[in-house]
Amino acid sequence: EAGVAQSPRYKIIEKRQSVAFWCNPISGHATLYWYQQILGQGPKLLIQFQNNGVVDDSQLPKDRFSAERLKGVDSTLKIQPAKLEDSAVYLCASSLGQGSYEQYFGPGTRLTVT
Amino acid sequence: DAKTTQPPSMDCAEGRAANLPCNHSTISGNEYVYWYRQIHSQGPQYIIHGLKNNETNEMASLIITEDRKSSTLILPHATLRDTAVYYCIVRVDDTGNQFYFGTGTSLTVIP
Repeated sequence: EAGVAQSPRYKIIEKRQSVAFWCNPISGHATLYWYQQILGQGPKLLIQFQNNGVVDDSQLPKDRFSAERLKGVDSTLKIQPAKLEDSAVYLCASSLGQGSYEQYFGPGTRLTVT
Repeated sequence: DAKTTQPPSMDCAEGRAANLPCNHSTISGNEYVYWYRQIHSQGPQYIIHGLKNNETNEMASLIITEDRKSSTLILPHATLRDTAVYYCIVRVDDTGNQFYFGTGTSLTVIP
């Protein structure tokens, strides 16, 4: 079974630039999550999709972050414009459903904003 | 969801049992205890979860106290590959509630 795929694995940009991350969840998983993990902290949920609908985006900084999952499969997370404090690892995870106890995480994208 | 308290770091000798404690004194009756771990440069990985009975799987055992205010994750024979950050999380199951990852316990298995 293929795992959660993410790209790119690493990205370095200057502040005020834009960046986009891509995630391909495990086939058949209806729920998709984007997390932000700052160095030394645990992952923090940014947004949760159920199929192509948003379930929870309460912690997404909507003035600069956006995410979509148009066909209920792949997802993209965008930051525009980036700030220094956005430097973090962005993790994508998927699960069979909202109540699933097991979330499967991808390897993450490490973003450095200079 | 209730919060959890874990020691920031622990060491364990290779081949010995690793016992990772977690305090969740404000846990509600319908909240489950979950454990995930994160090996360096990887995403978190599910280990085990339980409500009030002790649980065991191929990776670990979970011991929950009778009052459910604390729990212990046991790795029976720790290996170097078990070096990771271990997160204890409480959440109401079968809901869309999110997992709140704290800072976890950094376990180092020493050869």
